[in-house]
Amino acid sequence: NAGVTQTPKFQVLKTGQSMTLQCAQDMNHEYMSWYRQDPGMGLRLIHYSVGAGITDQGEVPNGYNVSRSTTEDFPLRLLSAAPSQTSVYFCASRRDDRVASPLHFGNGTRLTVT
Amino acid sequence: GDSVTQMEGPVTLSEEAFLTINCTYTATGYPSLFWYVQYPGEGLQLLLKATKADDKGSNKGFEATYRKETTSFHLEKGSVQVSDSAVYFCALSEEDMRFGAGTRLTVKP
Repeated sequence: NAGVTQTPKFQVLKTGQSMTLQCAQDMNHEYMSWYRQDPGMGLRLIHYSVGAGITDQGEVPNGYNVSRSTTEDFPLRLLSAAPSQTSVYFCASRRDDRVASPLHFGNGTRLTVT
Repeated sequence: GDSVTQMEGPVTLSEEAFLTINCTYTATGYPSLFWYVQYPGEGLQLLLKATKADDKGSNKGFEATYRKETTSFHLEKGSVQVSDSAVYFCALSEEDMRFGAGTRLTVKP
């Protein structure tokens, strides 16, 4: 059982380039989310989805787009990368949007924007 | 809004020492509380959780009790091992999941 799979593991971009971070889960979870992890700041929520066709903004959505066309996939798009987006990105899913459900995390994508 | 504050690290202990990592929270309603652990190069893994006041979550020798009166969820372990070296995150879940800044623990043999 693969769980939550993120690709790529590492990426270097130049300022202004665009790219998509991929996330897939095979647990049939309704809820999926993207976080960024920065030193001393913990994890901050970028976007989330409570089901296919539904997305919403989190704490730090600016500069990122998401879509949820299937239950399994939740890609994160950077339209025009900036150095401030250098971070480690984690995709996470949970069974539903009930508060007691724990999140299952992927292993992260380390992004550097030069 | 909801927030989590946990003690700053890093924390360095000798093997078999007692561990406490403090965590307090601010929430408008009745959140569920979690501790996650992150090993190098990996994502976060659920360590334990508690869903209502006075609940005690426990796993792998770690414990934390949901204290509504003090809005706290402190993580404890009676005897740490070198393999417990990791970053620990306190989190609360109400509308979405909010995380503390993380506490890095290093256990020396």
